[in-house]
Amino acid sequence: DSGVTQTPKHLITATGQRVTLRCSPRSGDLSVYWYQQSLDQGLQFLIQYYNGEERAKGNILERFSAQQFPDLHSELNLSSLELGDSALYFCASSVRPGAGYTFGSGTRLTVV
Amino acid sequence: GEDVEQSLFLSVREGDSSVINCTYTDSSSTYLYWYKQEPGAGLQLLTYIFSNMDMKQDQRLTVLLNKKDKHLSLRIADTQTGDSAIYFCAEGSNNAGNMLTFGGGTRLMVKP
Repeated sequence: DSGVTQTPKHLITATGQRVTLRCSPRSGDLSVYWYQQSLDQGLQFLIQYYNGEERAKGNILERFSAQQFPDLHSELNLSSLELGDSALYFCASSVRPGAGYTFGSGTRLTVV
Repeated sequence: GEDVEQSLFLSVREGDSSVINCTYTDSSSTYLYWYKQEPGAGLQLLTYIFSNMDMKQDQRLTVLLNKKDKHLSLRIADTQTGDSAIYFCAEGSNNAGNMLTFGGGTRLMVKP
């Protein structure tokens, strides 16, 4: 157990639907990062939050949004889902520069 | 922007040494990391090296850094079938956001 908890582990939903992925960072970590991993695109950075504030944005679609709550857990909202959104979504957390990231085990999203 | 490149695939025989290579472009990189991803799992931090070091050894793992050429390598001695996984290198600088840039990953296949 890495200490980063992601729920649910698996999610199957239909095109056009909306889902919410949840992440609880490791205790003491203030930064949360969201990544998408698909077979053809590798590991793509989506967005970072630090202590409740958005810090950096990567290749995140407008249909996707995220937030970090006062208790530091984070949610990634994916709407108007398309088949191409099927992927593994990872959350990672870190405490300080140099410490690296601790990854959760991911949420596998399948859009049918 | 920053870029991290890795070869896609490496195949070795059990008991041989594996060397996975990585190049990066950001000269301000302070930390360089190696992560391992087994099938269906998240990324696990294997080891890291500070940019002011040339080498770091940790049991079967040896990390070599050539800062002049911006080249990083991971050597796995006595490679085992359990080492079969995808290996990602990542670079980061000493910034408050602790942003890491990941390579595309190298799939290591170990044949018995």
